[in-house]
Amino acid sequence: GNSVTQMEGPVTLSEEAFLTINCTYTATGYPSLFWYVQYPGEGLQLLLKATKADDKGSNKGFEATYRKETTSFHLEKGSVQVSDSAVYFCALSVLVGNEKLTFGTGTRLTIIP
Amino acid sequence: SQTIHQWPATLVQPVGSPLSLECTVEGTSNPNLYWYRQAAGRGLQLLFYSVGIGQISSEVPQNLSASRPQDRQFILSSKKLLLSDSGFYLCAWSDGRETQYFGPGTRLLVL
Repeated sequence: GNSVTQMEGPVTLSEEAFLTINCTYTATGYPSLFWYVQYPGEGLQLLLKATKADDKGSNKGFEATYRKETTSFHLEKGSVQVSDSAVYFCALSVLVGNEKLTFGTGTRLTIIP
Repeated sequence: SQTIHQWPATLVQPVGSPLSLECTVEGTSNPNLYWYRQAAGRGLQLLFYSVGIGQISSEVPQNLSASRPQDRQFILSSKKLLLSDSGFYLCAWSDGRETQYFGPGTRLLVL
């Protein structure tokens, strides 16, 4: 079956620090990979995605590269801001007629000024 | 542009009472629709998905049911709530091209 493993949180960083949130996956077939973000009290928003090996997704200063050889999709940002405080979810989808997302457990990120 | 609505935003219900949560999508037709639950401090669990009117697939056995009476309407129901039904319920839609778009969620507290 499909599964996603994220690094355990919570993660607390100072403003302008470098961020890495690890994500690895197992999947049958060729998955697309996603990062979703959930700000306090809100639903999930798509942050970025990659649909094939070596693709890099990027948005709002965040990046993640689809690494097939290591089955990973780590999220990175060079300089975090207080407004980046949220819960981040890694997810995958294998399109088989209807796309069902498999989510990781989420990583809570807190940025302190 | 497409938008997705959920209501109510917050709900407090006694154990044993019925439940009805509504999700509607605007700006698209024949979307795939999904209900997820997010328990406190945990990840998302897919509860139901639907690829068309009246077509519902259940992912996990539970106290809840779902219905899709119209193309862009998805309803989550229960006849008798349990304490364990408390959580944050998220509706999502997709156009069949993998990316899902989520609503603002409904926070349910069962007392």
